[in-house]
Formats: sequence, structure tokens, C-alpha cells
Amino acid sequence: AQTVTQSQPEMSVQEAETVTLSCTYDTSESDYYLFWYKQPPSRQMILVIRQEAYKQQNATENRFSVNFQKAAKSFSLKISDSQLGDAAMYFCAYRSVETSGSRLTFGEGTQLTVNP
Amino acid sequence: KAGVTQTPRYLIKTRGQQVTLSCSPISGHRSVSWYQQTPGQGLQFLFEYFSETQRNKGNFPGRFSGRQFSNSRSEMNVSTLELGDSALYLCASSFKGSSTDTQYFGPGTRLTVL
Repeated sequence: AQTVTQSQPEMSVQEAETVTLSCTYDTSESDYYLFWYKQPPSRQMILVIRQEAYKQQNATENRFSVNFQKAAKSFSLKISDSQLGDAAMYFCAYRSVETSGSRLTFGEGTQLTVNP
Repeated sequence: KAGVTQTPRYLIKTRGQQVTLSCSPISGHRSVSWYQQTPGQGLQFLFEYFSETQRNKGNFPGRFSGRQFSNSRSEMNVSTLELGDSALYLCASSFKGSSTDTQYFGPGTRLTVL
């Protein structure tokens, strides 16, 4: 079974600064997807970014980018130019390609605070 | 296009009762997944339905069940409620539930069991 670990329960950043959230995972599969989801106080989960394991190039979406290290099974999220609206709980998630369906395995989450 | 909707948004029940939660996926989406979110256990996968068939099931007792209708709307039912069932229940939909699909989440149903 796959597991996802987020070792930082809480992080804080100053507005306009850069912050990196960590995520490690464990799997015996070679093909999979990794995701970062954001959950603001409204509780609506929003997809931030996704990475396909067979792609070596790190995914980027505007101010959000990842550092994907497949051998180390590490998948960190970097938020540049942090904004107040980035404050939320961030979840790292894993999805298998080898098994059917869209089941996601989530990490414990990191609560991000953005200070003005 | 309307997003994923879940009803009701809030629910209060007492131990021993049963409850039914509803999820309407984005139009055209045929896969619906359910997750339970609690402070202690985090986000845990309950089950996934695709074209009215359960495709995957998480590690939950048989008190948790679900179904999907021909219009892709899904319901989950919890019988004989326990205090530990208090949680935010999230529903997510995707086009066909393949590994390449993006899942879109609903706002959740907050269930409180007294």
C-alpha cells in the first residue's frame, strides 16, 4: 500500500516571500501521479498542481512549482510571492496508474499561514 | 458549468440513527469518489463509483455504503451511527475516473453525531 507523509504540520511565511512545503511518499509502483491540493477555510479542496511520475520535468502553475525527486520519493511544493489568499491547509496526494480508478491517498496536511 | 454539489451541507444526528448524503457530480462526469475527513485520521478514501458500479472501496466497516444512479448522482449511507462518524464527508467527481483525470471536489457535508 502507498503512504504519503507530510512532516510539517504548520508553516508560516511573510507575504511576498517564498515557502516550500515537504512531502514524501512510499510506493513500489513506477508509474503514478502526485498532487498538491489546497483546502481553505471554506473546506473546498482545490487542485493546485499535479505531476506525472514518468515526466522528469517539474510541473509549474504560475507561482506554484514542485521539486519532484523520484528516486528519493520526494515531492515538495514551492509557493513564490506568497499572497494572503494562499493561507490554507495543503495536502499532498498520490494516485496509482497501475490500479484502476481515481483513488487518492492523502498526507496529513500542512497548515500554511501567510503573515502580512 | 456547475461544480460538484453536496447536500445537505450540515447534518446533526444521534448515535444509532442512519444518514444519507448526496453528491451531484459535474455534468458529464461519470466517476464519483467519497472521502471522510477527521482531525484524527485525516482524509480517508471511502469508495468510488463509476457507471453505477462500485469500482474501489476503502477500509471502512459495512455500515458505510453507497450507490450511484444512472444520472451519475451518488449517495452514501451510514447506518447505526457512532460518535466517531462525526466528520466532513467530501465527494469528488471526474470524467471517467482514469488516472489522467482531474478530480473536482464538492464543498463537503459536515456530519455531527451526538
